[in-house]
Order: sequence, then structure tokens, then C-alpha cells
Amino acid sequence: EAQVTQNPRYLITVTGKKLTVTCSQNMNHEYMSWYRQDPGLGLRQIYYSMNVEVTDKGDVPEGYKVSRKEKRNFPLILESPSPNQTSLYFCASRLAGGRDSSYEQYFGPGTRLTVT
Amino acid sequence: GQQLNQSPQSMFIQEGEDVSMNCTSSSIFNTWLWYKQDPGEGPVLLIALYKAGELTSNGRLTAQFGITRKDSFLNISASIPSDVGIYFCAGVNAGGTSYGKLTFGQGTILTVHP
Repeated sequence: EAQVTQNPRYLITVTGKKLTVTCSQNMNHEYMSWYRQDPGLGLRQIYYSMNVEVTDKGDVPEGYKVSRKEKRNFPLILESPSPNQTSLYFCASRLAGGRDSSYEQYFGPGTRLTVT
Repeated sequence: GQQLNQSPQSMFIQEGEDVSMNCTSSSIFNTWLWYKQDPGEGPVLLIALYKAGELTSNGRLTAQFGITRKDSFLNISASIPSDVGIYFCAGVNAGGTSYGKLTFGQGTILTVHP
């Protein structure tokens, strides 16, 4: 089954304790992205990657890091989490672009993070 | 930056009623996407639109790509309880420095009363 998977689905942590949220897709997609979703603010892009070893900042990158060492994986790293990073996080993937269907983006099930 | 205005913000309807929602933008988009998000889950793609004026259906859902390329509409006919959720529009800018970036609307929360 074609899908985007994220782990963990739920995470409660304390301020300053480094954490990683994993994301993996099995659709051979070049483009991967991380979003956070907050009430009243909608979906905001954190980082994206056009392909292996190519990453760039989205709209709200502060406090986050990413890496793209393999095509299928795109982990989100919070080096020193703070309470304002409490949110619902989504990983997404799609093809690189150049064709109409390239922009159809598929989302993972989400990771609910609470930082106390 | 680009902004998408999605309306209405929420809707409370009776089962069997038709639903309409729309998104408007200050910028032109090359592609419009409509998603549905169930509580606690990720958005699921419902319909993708690629050409101005295009009208596309997916079961009881029909979406249109506005002729000005700055708006899109989603209609749900004969609503049922499982239509409950948040519906998002997303516009794709395939040019300039925002190549392929999705801009999302704020979402329409749909509640269907049996």
C-alpha cells in the first residue's frame, strides 16, 4: 500500500530534550515536506526537500532541523524543544514536478507533540 | 506572501443537504487541490484540478478551477454523517521561487446532523 508513515504518533517530552520524528514514504517520491498544524493558523510548512541531500526552509523553520540522506526518509529533528513547538506535525510527499499530477501531495497520519 | 481565503469557516447542516465552499486568492495558481481531514488524521486528497475552468467530480464531490485561476469551489451533494471533517483547499504555484509550493486555506469545518 502506497503510504507516508510517521513515528511516533504521540509524544510528550520536556523542554530541551532532543527528539526526532521519523517520516518514510514508499512511493519513490522526490519531494518531501514537514508541516505543523495549529488551531487558527492552518498548515504551515517547516522544511522541505526536493531530493536526496537537498533541503530548504519553509515558512516556520526556526527550532527545527531536517536531513534527507535517503530518498524514502525525511526525519524532523528538534534539538532543544520548547513549549511553543507543541503542535500536530505532518510529513508529506509527492513527485518532483513538471507534470500536472506531480503536485498531488500525500500526507502522513500525523504526530501530536506536547512539550512541557 | 500568497494567501488563500477559504469560506465559510464552519458549516452546520442536516444530512441530505448540499454543501458549497470556496477559496479565493490574490495570486494565480497552476493547480488546485482539495483535501479532507478527519479528526486526529492527516489530510486526504479528494480532488485535483489542473486547468482554468476545469470541473471535476469524485462521487458526490464536485470541484471547479476558477476561470481567473484565483479561485476554486468544492460542492458536496446529499451530505451524509461521514462527510464530517475539515476541508482544505490548496493552491500550487509552479513558478518563480515558490516552485511547487502548496499554499493552504484555513479550512472549513463541516458538521452534519443526522
